[in-house]
Amino acid sequence: DQQVKQNSPSLSVQEGRISILNCDYTNSMFDYFLWYKKYPAEGPTFLISISSIKDKNEDGRFTVFLNKSAKHLSLHIVPSQPGDSAVYFCAASGRETSGSRLTFGEGTQLTVNP
Amino acid sequence: KAGVTQTPRYLIKTRGQQVTLSCSPISGHRSVSWYQQTPGQGLQFLFEYFSETQRNKGNFPGRFSGRQFSNSRSEMNVSTLELGDSALYLCASTDGGSRETQYFGPGTRLLVL
Repeated sequence: DQQVKQNSPSLSVQEGRISILNCDYTNSMFDYFLWYKKYPAEGPTFLISISSIKDKNEDGRFTVFLNKSAKHLSLHIVPSQPGDSAVYFCAASGRETSGSRLTFGEGTQLTVNP
Repeated sequence: KAGVTQTPRYLIKTRGQQVTLSCSPISGHRSVSWYQQTPGQGLQFLFEYFSETQRNKGNFPGRFSGRQFSNSRSEMNVSTLELGDSALYLCASTDGGSRETQYFGPGTRLLVL
């Protein structure tokens, strides 16, 4: 039962353009969402998060949008840079568990071409 | 502040052996969570420890266990290793609140032969 899905295994964009990474979830109890970036042989690095009481959160070049009715979130990176090339994971946590327990999507490999 | 540290970074074991991995959280963080990353299953939650008590548990067999010490450092143990246990094991720490960002360590790469 994949509760968090990233349907695009890979995405390729040109430097300077916008990168849009998508994520869908099925568990209506999820109320906190995060995006992580991961390089090979390293741990995930936190990028940005959003609570279900919001529909948008910005941090520099990164913006996350949340559409609760569609159970969909997206990460926008503008402008994209070659250093952004990595695997991006979306993750979610829910009200039903105390403490920390993240459910991850499968990841999307982003390649930004110079 | 120093980040989350994990030791060892790489480990090779044979089937049937057991292994212990260590994680030191960010200073002041009281919660440590463990995740397994494999190519086929992605990143999956193993368990979380908070104040030396297991607070959450994922769907892994009893061969996977953990503990947390009074200084918040955590260890996880895998007994009777199987080939399928080959993975990147990641730990993450937070202050302990339920909606806090988890910060990950670099992981321990375990290879079971």
